[in-house]
Amino acid sequence: AQKITQTQPGMFVQEKEAVTLDCTYDTSDQSYGLFWYKQPSSGEMIFLIYQGSYDEQNATEGRYSLNFQKARKSANLVISASQLGDSAMYFCAMRERGTGNQFYFGTGTSLTVIP
Amino acid sequence: KAGVTQTPRYLIKTRGQQVTLSCSPISGHRSVSWYQQTPGQGLQFLFEYFSETQRNKGNFPGRFSGRQFSNSRSEMNVSTLELGDSALYLCASSLDARDNEQFFGPGTRLTVL
Repeated sequence: AQKITQTQPGMFVQEKEAVTLDCTYDTSDQSYGLFWYKQPSSGEMIFLIYQGSYDEQNATEGRYSLNFQKARKSANLVISASQLGDSAMYFCAMRERGTGNQFYFGTGTSLTVIP
Repeated sequence: KAGVTQTPRYLIKTRGQQVTLSCSPISGHRSVSWYQQTPGQGLQFLFEYFSETQRNKGNFPGRFSGRQFSNSRSEMNVSTLELGDSALYLCASSLDARDNEQFFGPGTRLTVL
């Protein structure tokens, strides 16, 4: 089974609107971390936000927030007030203690911000 | 503080050749991970090194190998290249193997003809 599932290959959002990128994960570990990365067309992966499995509050970093629903095993990324520079690939990832902290990545969502 | 650097940035090889890619982590970081990124398979974990020891290995054939030096710099080697090895190879560093954040380099784009 896939460890990380991102069901939206492509998304469009109007500039200044909010957008939610979906991510579900599969693990039997109690201790794990969830991450979101942004990859612009230049290729470099940029860390956006982190959520630990024991964190009770949703993580926020500026315009990024992570909607963590542990029982549903989902970790959706919310980008508020979209900007043209947000157009990129977005990857959800998980690191679980049981596999030696190895990272697992989803297949990504391509976000296009429309002016 | 300088970021993660990878050399070379672009590489063209032919089938059957071998290639060595280099990664210099952020100063002070001791953990280095390698990933292969292709349009079809996405990002796949290759291996992770910490203090010159391989801690984790992904599901890749033995043609893919790596090592880490005492200064934390890491190299990965692919022998007997195949067309399917064409990919973006990304290196990421973190302070230690359990750090929550990885910093990625710009990648090496390998094309196998």
